[in-house]
Amino acid sequence: GENVEQHPSTLSVQEGDSAVIKCTYSDSASNYFPWYKQELGKGPQLIIDIRSNVGEKKDQRIAVTLNKTAKHFSLHITETQPEDSAVYFCAAAIRSNDYKLSFGAGTTVTVRA
Amino acid sequence: DAGITQSPRHKVTETGTPVTLRCHQTENHRYMYWYRQDPGHGLRLIHYSYGVKDTDKGEVSDGYSVSRSKTEDFLLTLESATSSQTSVYFCAISELDTNYGYTFGSGTRLTVV
Repeated sequence: GENVEQHPSTLSVQEGDSAVIKCTYSDSASNYFPWYKQELGKGPQLIIDIRSNVGEKKDQRIAVTLNKTAKHFSLHITETQPEDSAVYFCAAAIRSNDYKLSFGAGTTVTVRA
Repeated sequence: DAGITQSPRHKVTETGTPVTLRCHQTENHRYMYWYRQDPGHGLRLIHYSYGVKDTDKGEVSDGYSVSRSKTEDFLLTLESATSSQTSVYFCAISELDTNYGYTFGSGTRLTVV
């Protein structure tokens, strides 16, 4: 099955700086790559996603890049704010495989004021 | 989370007892999933459903069973709970025809003592 690795496991940044989280996947057939944000005591929430026919996607302060050749994708958060502190998960799925998401282990992001 | 509720939110049970967790949705989505979340492992798929009475196993299905007798409800049963099943369980829904994204419930924290 699909194996998704995520790094780093923890990330501490100064408010206003950028944060980058990287993920790799194993199955070259994967074609959908979402990112989820989980706040304490809540379920994960989708913040951005990218499909395999796109190399980069941006939504305000967050962006995701995908390199299908290298089988890795990254989340970039610019101008970080205290409310960006959370656990972030990357995931990968094959559209034809009942869309079962395989998740990375998560990155705990702390934004220091 | 809007449209999806999990019950109970917290449960403590004894080893060897049966436990059933419920996921209820009001979105009429075809796909429903059960994941467990453990530190260092991210979210791992237990079972999923692609329609009423249509279910399949995920990567960590041993010791778990599921049922879906109607579109809105997806039940996860631990036939004989073990300490290794202490975890936070999340239900998710999706509708592939219109939207790839998962919507997660708020989770059930299960402790097996």
